[in-house]
Amino acid sequence: SQQGEEDPQALSIQEGENATMNCSYKTSINNLQWYRQNSGRGLVHLILIRSNEREKHSGRLRVTLDTSKKSSSLLITASRAADTASYFCATVFGNEKLTFGTGTRLTIIP
Amino acid sequence: ETGVTQSPTHLIKTRGQQVTLRCSSQSGHNTVSWYQQALGQGPQFIFQYYREEENGRGNFPPRFSGLQFPNYSSELNVNALELDDSALYLCASSAGTSAYNEQFFGPGTRLTVL
Repeated sequence: SQQGEEDPQALSIQEGENATMNCSYKTSINNLQWYRQNSGRGLVHLILIRSNEREKHSGRLRVTLDTSKKSSSLLITASRAADTASYFCATVFGNEKLTFGTGTRLTIIP
Repeated sequence: ETGVTQSPTHLIKTRGQQVTLRCSSQSGHNTVSWYQQALGQGPQFIFQYYREEENGRGNFPPRFSGLQFPNYSSELNVNALELDDSALYLCASSAGTSAYNEQFFGPGTRLTVL
């Protein structure tokens, strides 16, 4: 079963604009991770945020975590055509393994 | 490129057959996890192997089994294939079993069951 649910399911924006994706989850977590997947191939790890962190940055990526609302957001600034991909959040709780959400399909229009 | 390789890239089988998928982990990694990703869905955890022993299993029936070898490469075996087994199968290697170890994914094997 899927732990997380991304919103929106699909997003199309113009190149250069910012893209925001949200993830909601159901149980307490140790950490939350964001992954990118190009064209149904392997996933690439983007960023990990621990349960005691509220915000984290990596290059053009900004991730926030609100454990009281059981939600996280991924912001990609100054989007590029190469950012076109599916983005997944994945949560970890206790000794459980990665549990992925349903994904957001992002399309950057040149 | 993550250094994790999977074979074959694509595979077509018929219902009831058996299949073996292979994964070579990144150098220095002793842990391999397998995931099933149905079309339009997120990956679902099948199981994890650490130093040749199963270390956690998701909600998959026993006909899904695995192995890890002394060089830390791994196999996923699926018996009595069903149509719903059609999916992208992903393996990921990591330097340990901690939830904080980054997982490096291979490109996947796309299995079609007819």
